[in-house]
Amino acid sequence: QSALTQPASVSGSPGQSITISCTGTSSDVGSYNLVSWYQQHPGKAPKLMIYEGSKRPSGVSNRFSGSKSGNTASLTISGLQAEDEADYYCCSYAGSSTLYVFGTGTKVTVL
Amino acid sequence: QVQLVQSGAEVKKPGASVKVSCKASGYTFTGYYMHWVRQAPGQGLEWMGRINPNSGGTNYAQKFQGRVTMTRDTSISTAYMELSRLRSDDTAVYYCARDFLHCSGGSCYPTDAFDIWGQGTMVTVSS
Repeated sequence: QSALTQPASVSGSPGQSITISCTGTSSDVGSYNLVSWYQQHPGKAPKLMIYEGSKRPSGVSNRFSGSKSGNTASLTISGLQAEDEADYYCCSYAGSSTLYVFGTGTKVTVL
Repeated sequence: QVQLVQSGAEVKKPGASVKVSCKASGYTFTGYYMHWVRQAPGQGLEWMGRINPNSGGTNYAQKFQGRVTMTRDTSISTAYMELSRLRSDDTAVYYCARDFLHCSGGSCYPTDAFDIWGQGTMVTVSS
């Protein structure tokens, strides 16, 4: 099972919106609405930001939103802030034999 | 508060085994699957497998089948991940992560996401 494909880097200025894509296949992203997104600051453990494609856990800012179209899921960060600078990973359920696959990761830079 | 506390860093020689522990507190240990995820230096996240702490049942990623063993001790709310026949490319930070249950109206269901993470355990494999 190959990793989901994400852009290596995305950047934006404070206040802008950015979108990170996560492309999989019909065996994972395309078949299930079970994509989650994680934020990871350097040297820290990942933090859950989005689950089931578009839902936010309690405590996560509503500036973070998720969506899906076909085999591609997306994470949008609106009103970009300096603290959003981090690595972001998507993860999808991929069926009962593979179970879970992560994305390649995207480094977000706030200019 | 809900937390997962992992064991300390390890240095192992190629061919050896390592066993990492993950102690849970602040919630019912047997009520949530526990996952293991690793991250090689400068690389992305990689799902290794999961254990049902209630039954002890496990699911492993195909890549690690035959080399990884996940166990638990419910008496001390601790999950373990043992990786054998270590190679240099097993050098990584190993995380345990709890399955995220969404609860509403008195019922809960799994979401196939991971909400609580341990602090990570660095495992270095070097001769």
